[in-house]
Amino acid sequence: GAGVSQSPRYKVAKRGQDVALRCDPISGHVSLFWYQQALGQGPEFLTYFQNEAQLDKSGLPSDRFFAERPEGSVSTLKIQRTQQEDSAVYLCASSSGIGPYEQYFGPGTRLTVT
Amino acid sequence: AQRVTQPEKLLSVFKGAPVELKCNYSYSGSPELFWYVQYSRQRLQLLLRHISRESIKGFTADLNKGETSFHLKKPFAQEEDSAMYYCAPLYYNTDKLIFGTGTRLQVFP
Repeated sequence: GAGVSQSPRYKVAKRGQDVALRCDPISGHVSLFWYQQALGQGPEFLTYFQNEAQLDKSGLPSDRFFAERPEGSVSTLKIQRTQQEDSAVYLCASSSGIGPYEQYFGPGTRLTVT
Repeated sequence: AQRVTQPEKLLSVFKGAPVELKCNYSYSGSPELFWYVQYSRQRLQLLLRHISRESIKGFTADLNKGETSFHLKKPFAQEEDSAMYYCAPLYYNTDKLIFGTGTRLQVFP
């Protein structure tokens, strides 16, 4: 079946531009996660949704980062006024339940801010 | 703060040699432990989890609560095991995975 998909796969933005990254989770998955992976590092948690409710946004690095999942399925991560330090791979993952369920990852969006 | 330590950035072995990828985590409650793997040009995927007590592709991982470790082991490495491996505890009160920096395993023929 279809896995988690993300778009775009690659995004180049000039510093100061706004970007929007999309995640389509596996159909029916309750939980959705966003992670940021800098070069040479492991993924770092950004935010977590349970259906449409954003239960944890403790990992968002600044108020320039905003995520939403209005209907409990597709999610968008928006970054306003991008900075060079925002350059990273942004990973989306979904899982079928709440708690220690397997998280299924998308291919990621590689964001490069110039 | 919750932390995960994977001390080896790179581990190189020859085919057929035993492999142990180390993982230590900071104690905060009773996390569930996972190993995720990323093969070249593929997405991150689950390799195994402690709660299942299973062996996947010949890999096993033993939880040592006293040492707060969850090392990944395989007795005979294969070339297809070459990949990036991440240890990731999940803390029940947050549902989020805390990833280590990863260990790149290279298995030479």
